[in-house]
Amino acid sequence: DTEVTQTPKHLVMGMTNKKSLKCEQHMGHRAMYWYKQKAKKPPELMFVYSYEKLSINESVPSRFSPECPNSSLLNLHLHALQPEDSALYLCASSHPRLGREQYFGPGTRLTVT
Amino acid sequence: GNSVTQMEGPVTLSEEAFLTINCTYTATGYPSLFWYVQYPGEGLQLLLKATKADDKGSNKGFEATYRKETTSFHLEKGSVQVSDSAVYFCALRPLGGGTSYGKLTFGQGTILTVHP
Repeated sequence: DTEVTQTPKHLVMGMTNKKSLKCEQHMGHRAMYWYKQKAKKPPELMFVYSYEKLSINESVPSRFSPECPNSSLLNLHLHALQPEDSALYLCASSHPRLGREQYFGPGTRLTVT
Repeated sequence: GNSVTQMEGPVTLSEEAFLTINCTYTATGYPSLFWYVQYPGEGLQLLLKATKADDKGSNKGFEATYRKETTSFHLEKGSVQVSDSAVYFCALRPLGGGTSYGKLTFGQGTILTVHP
């Protein structure tokens, strides 16, 4: 099973709202990733967690706050977003040592109004 | 730094036509190379991969060979179907750790449309 699940599938939020995106995998992967994808563009890396510790933050604004509560779960907390943050948010996971491929979830389509 | 260059699209083909999407890369050492496919409204799916020179990745009729001498990883399929219509991304992951750990470098993506 190479499934990464993400909830919700769609999210509409105002600029003053606080919301969270959730990602889950049960493949035993110990590296998890958040990406942002704009229409017709490749995904852009935001954060990488390795063994539940933040290892890469690609200079993402603090209105995005990642959290990795355990080895299967990854959250992205959203607060005071801007309309330009509207995008598809993708979660991915990989085994940090065996193989180098990342498996992606279906994404959350976020619209900030 | 690392980079991936894909042929610009969109690519429009008739069903059963031969497909080639060119991908070249710049990286030090021997990165792992991947093709991902993104169907409309979905996330990225790993299509195939190669981890060393002369490796051939294959899946669902698609193939790509890791060519170190030309730094290329071109995607091919002998006979495309309407259901292959999607965006295709070539990507590399550098060897080793350090600050590049976990980072995939993507090409810009190629939109493929297959007509009946």
